[in-house]
Amino acid sequence: DGGITQSPKYLFRKEGQNVTLSCEQNLNHDAMYWYRQDPGQGLRLIYYSQIVNDFQKGDIAEGYSVSREKKESFPLTVTSAQKNPTAFYLCAGQASGANVLTFGAGSRLTVL
Amino acid sequence: KQEVTQIPAALSVPEGENLVLNCSFTDSAIYNLQWFRQDPGKGLTSLLLIQSSQREQTSGRLNASLDKSSGRSTLYIAASQPGDSATYLCAVKTTSGTYKYIFGTGTRLKVLA
Repeated sequence: DGGITQSPKYLFRKEGQNVTLSCEQNLNHDAMYWYRQDPGQGLRLIYYSQIVNDFQKGDIAEGYSVSREKKESFPLTVTSAQKNPTAFYLCAGQASGANVLTFGAGSRLTVL
Repeated sequence: KQEVTQIPAALSVPEGENLVLNCSFTDSAIYNLQWFRQDPGKGLTSLLLIQSSQREQTSGRLNASLDKSSGRSTLYIAASQPGDSATYLCAVKTTSGTYKYIFGTGTRLKVLA
């Protein structure tokens, strides 16, 4: 089945650790996004990528990093510089020329 | 700066009731508006997308309307069912050249059996 797969679903991090969230898609989407969702707040854009080997910072990029070495993959690293990383992280994709955003099931990160 | 607001934050209705969810945006120069459904702990599922040139879109019991001049969109759910219980979010894409979407905070709907 085509879709966007995020892993792991749940992740626990100790303070000072970097962690990487995986996002893989088989929809041939050109554009991919990472959003952060906190209770009572709308989705906030962390990073987005329109093509391979290119990505742009969103509204809350500090403490995060991404790569886009393959069209199918857009991993997000939450670094130790992110002071409040506990949140629900959502990856999304969009096909070129299309308008519908397709989301993965999300990854919940908790800092211990 | 575009801002998107959804009021109320939460809503409870009895099964079978027709209901309207609201989405307001501050800048009428939008490219499209999309409505999503989110179940607890899950990702977002696209329900309806309205292009700026359109007035409404329908899918089954759902109907979304768009009034750019007043900065409003509504999602109408007919004959609500307990399975409709979820959080509904709207998102605005401001121009065709951008890949950025602005999301509202959502309306949490509970349909009582």
